Amino acid sequence: EIVLTQSPDTLSLSPGERATLSCRASQSVSGNYLAWYQQKVGQAPRLLIYGASSRATGIPDRFSGSGSGTDFTLTVSRLEPEDFAVYYCQQYGGSPPYSFGQGTKLEIK
Amino acid sequence: EVQLVESGGGLVQPGRSLRLSCEASGFTFDDYAMHWVRQAPGKGLEWVSGISWSSGDIIYAASVKGRFTISRDNAKKFLFLQMNGLRVEDTAVYYCARRQSGYNFDYWGQGTLVTVSS
Repeated sequence: EIVLTQSPDTLSLSPGERATLSCRASQSVSGNYLAWYQQKVGQAPRLLIYGASSRATGIPDRFSGSGSGTDFTLTVSRLEPEDFAVYYCQQYGGSPPYSFGQGTKLEIK
Repeated sequence: EVQLVESGGGLVQPGRSLRLSCEASGFTFDDYAMHWVRQAPGKGLEWVSGISWSSGDIIYAASVKGRFTISRDNAKKFLFLQMNGLRVEDTAVYYCARRQSGYNFDYWGQGTLVTVSS
């Protein structure tokens, strides 16, 4: 089983600042099948990044993903007020084939 | 516009059954694998089950295997989740999600709440 551990659990920043969120896998993620989602309160998750570094349709270029193997990062270059939400990473591979990290809450400082 | 609309949630007693539905529109339904993901109140996301476009490939999380059954009707563009032997710990919002080729979920429904309680 591949376990994804996100850090930090909570990140307090101000609009305009840069956010760096981490996702570490217990085993190498095959094919770099690593995705990032944003979830706001009362809403469904929204796909931001897939394949570790490709932006999904309609996602602003201030969101970027990087990493490979077991260490992945989501960066928001300059926070907008609407970016404060919970972020999840998700991997494919192993058993169970799909799993999510526990989430990082990005809150306004 | 891609739309996924879940229905069928509600309050049910432990041990009872419930069937969730997800109606798809705005895309060629039988081109895609479809999945269910759930979220317990105040908790994170948990993958539940997935089904290939042809129903030939079906997978479950260990926590629901043997109790839940996923199925689809490509002609009517529906995804289903039959949940039997429900437990208190199955209480969650259940989302249906479209899986794209890179093994991630590019569209999600708004979710349907299942509450298991006596």
